[in-house]
Amino acid sequence: DAGVIQSPRHEVTEMGQEVTLRCKPISGHDYLFWYRQTMMRGLELLIYFNNNVPIDDSGMPEDRFSAKMPNASFSTLKIQPSEPRDSAVYFCASSSDRGDSGNTIYFGEGSWLTVV
Amino acid sequence: AQSVAQPEDQVNVAEGNPLTVKCTYSVSGNPYLFWYVQYPNRGLQFLLKYITGDNLVKGSYGFEAEFNKSQTSFHLKKPSALVSDSALYFCAVRDISMDSNYQLIWGAGTKLIIKP
Repeated sequence: DAGVIQSPRHEVTEMGQEVTLRCKPISGHDYLFWYRQTMMRGLELLIYFNNNVPIDDSGMPEDRFSAKMPNASFSTLKIQPSEPRDSAVYFCASSSDRGDSGNTIYFGEGSWLTVV
Repeated sequence: AQSVAQPEDQVNVAEGNPLTVKCTYSVSGNPYLFWYVQYPNRGLQFLLKYITGDNLVKGSYGFEAEFNKSQTSFHLKKPSALVSDSALYFCAVRDISMDSNYQLIWGAGTKLIIKP
């Protein structure tokens, strides 16, 4: 298996622009997670899906952030409009369960976002 | 409330020496405990977990961790460090008595530097 695939790997954008991050989870995994990693706040869970349905989006920082999962093999995280404080590494991850019951969470390589 | 602490931001070890990366946790019930590793510019990778059974857990790359319930710790260890072990290490915990929403709590991470 190719693992969790994220794109783009790196993105530099100007403040106010829309950013779309994409993720293809591991086939057969029912759970998909979006995380954000920054030096200041560490690793934060933004949202997670189960069978394409958003279950908990309490970590989404504000309305500028939205996430969708139209099918089992694709998810997007969108930031509109982007701000410099959104600069971070965004990880997509998938698992056959919530990842907190014993099964491994598999992370993508991350999307490194810089908003200038 | 659940919490996990990695008291050291950075650990420096000479190659060939034993290493320990500390993790302590606080939960109201019994924990599931995990260690993940993040190599530079990569996503997180699963190392090992404690769910139940033997308190000494062996994982990938020669790492092991010991669950100590009385000290509420789950320290990561390796008998002989390699330069290639240099990475960021994350401890995570779930209180299995909390069966509602996703409750995997991540530590802040410890940077491990192995010097030749």
